[in-house]
Amino acid sequence: EVQLLESGGGLVQPGGSLRLSCAASGFTFGSYAMSWVRQAPGKGPEWVSAITGSGGRTYYADSVKGRFTISRDKNTLYLQMNSLRAEDTAVYYCAKVEDDNGDQVGNGLDVWGQGTTVTVSS
Amino acid sequence: QSVLTQPPSVSAASGQKVTISCSGSTSNIRKNYVSWYQQFPGTAPKLLIYENNKRPSGIPDRFSGSKSGTSATLGITGLQTGDEADFYCGTWDNSLSGYVFGTGTKVTV
Repeated sequence: EVQLLESGGGLVQPGGSLRLSCAASGFTFGSYAMSWVRQAPGKGPEWVSAITGSGGRTYYADSVKGRFTISRDKNTLYLQMNSLRAEDTAVYYCAKVEDDNGDQVGNGLDVWGQGTTVTVSS
Repeated sequence: QSVLTQPPSVSAASGQKVTISCSGSTSNIRKNYVSWYQQFPGTAPKLLIYENNKRPSGIPDRFSGSKSGTSATLGITGLQTGDEADFYCGTWDNSLSGYVFGTGTKVTV
């Protein structure tokens, strides 16, 4: 069974850091691009970042550029979040791109984790 | 503010059909595949349509997608009360070099 399991969320003060992890299983991880998507309370999903299957190219939303770093290793996807702000408060999901061409970061997201909650507050 | 615009809500009676529009631009919908997602409260979005009109395994053929120019449409036939959810379109935007989601549409049966 294809599965994604996020961890690492929690309560952090403004300006603080967190690292999210997403453990993947049931598919050839390196063959697929991956994304992080977040959803603030009562809002729609917002794409945060994507990485190609090889890890060679990364993409970021303007709202997190320079503060967040996406990476991958073996069967785990990461999101390092620095200089956190109140507006980063959200449920963070990792998601797999449906195309097995690992360079296709922009196709549909067919597998999602259950999400991990990040709360930025003093 | 999203670059993909959807109607805030649509409604129809059980058994009827609804369509949801997603309006974008040349830098996103015209040049890239469109996907559609269904989301129930408290759960992750679920892929309904990818590559404009393809359905993942397990998605009933009551759900269909189409694209023309800078707009895309999701159709749902044979509406069921279990279809009540929020629906989002999504695609890559070449100008932003990022993935964008639509503003979302709440379907009421």
